[in-house]
Amino acid sequence: NAGVTQTPKFRVLKTGQSMTLLCAQDMNHEYMYWYRQDPGMGLRLIHYSVGEGTTAKGEVPDGYNVSRLKKQNFLLGLESAAPSQTSVYFCASRSGTDINQPQHFGDGTRLSIL
Amino acid sequence: GQNIDQPTEMTATEGAIVQINCTYQTSGFNGLFWYQQHAGEAPTFLSYNVLDGLEEKGRFSSFLSRSKGYSYLLLKELQMKDSASYLCAVTTGRRALTFGSGTRLQVQP
Repeated sequence: NAGVTQTPKFRVLKTGQSMTLLCAQDMNHEYMYWYRQDPGMGLRLIHYSVGEGTTAKGEVPDGYNVSRLKKQNFLLGLESAAPSQTSVYFCASRSGTDINQPQHFGDGTRLSIL
Repeated sequence: GQNIDQPTEMTATEGAIVQINCTYQTSGFNGLFWYQQHAGEAPTFLSYNVLDGLEEKGRFSSFLSRSKGYSYLLLKELQMKDSASYLCAVTTGRRALTFGSGTRLQVQP
């Protein structure tokens, strides 16, 4: 009964390095989301996907790319990490086409960029 | 644009009742969610309102007034474990949630 699983849980990068955050869900959900959470700013949407092979930009997409090659996985990439991307990243998923279904969140990835 | 306002911090006493308010200004409003988030953990779903009125779930209740752009979360019989952040989020015509900054609740003995 894993739900939404994020890897890694912690990571420290140097400025300019690249990395990929992985989100996997086992609930057969169509919709998946990537958020970042910073102190005093709440959760902000980076990118989202409404199904396999589709992605869309959210509120703060610059500096990030995403891919949804398989329905159960949603990858978030940082091509050239910057200190401003130091944050806690949450992945979420939800079922169906009804926007009023609750989202289920992973435990987060804590990313520090030096 | 979308604007969601919540108080930043609140303090209450164990056993008491606390009300956390949320006001919003959005276009194409569909519904409003409340999530609970303990420090260092993921947000977890508490309640959802789409129609005006009160929804009750045990010690937690949530109220919505669509005409006033206003919601509140009511927590009764507060327990120490209720110390957490409470996030208000709205759904609009987009396929995602827009979150407020959250209210950090501290429950004192």
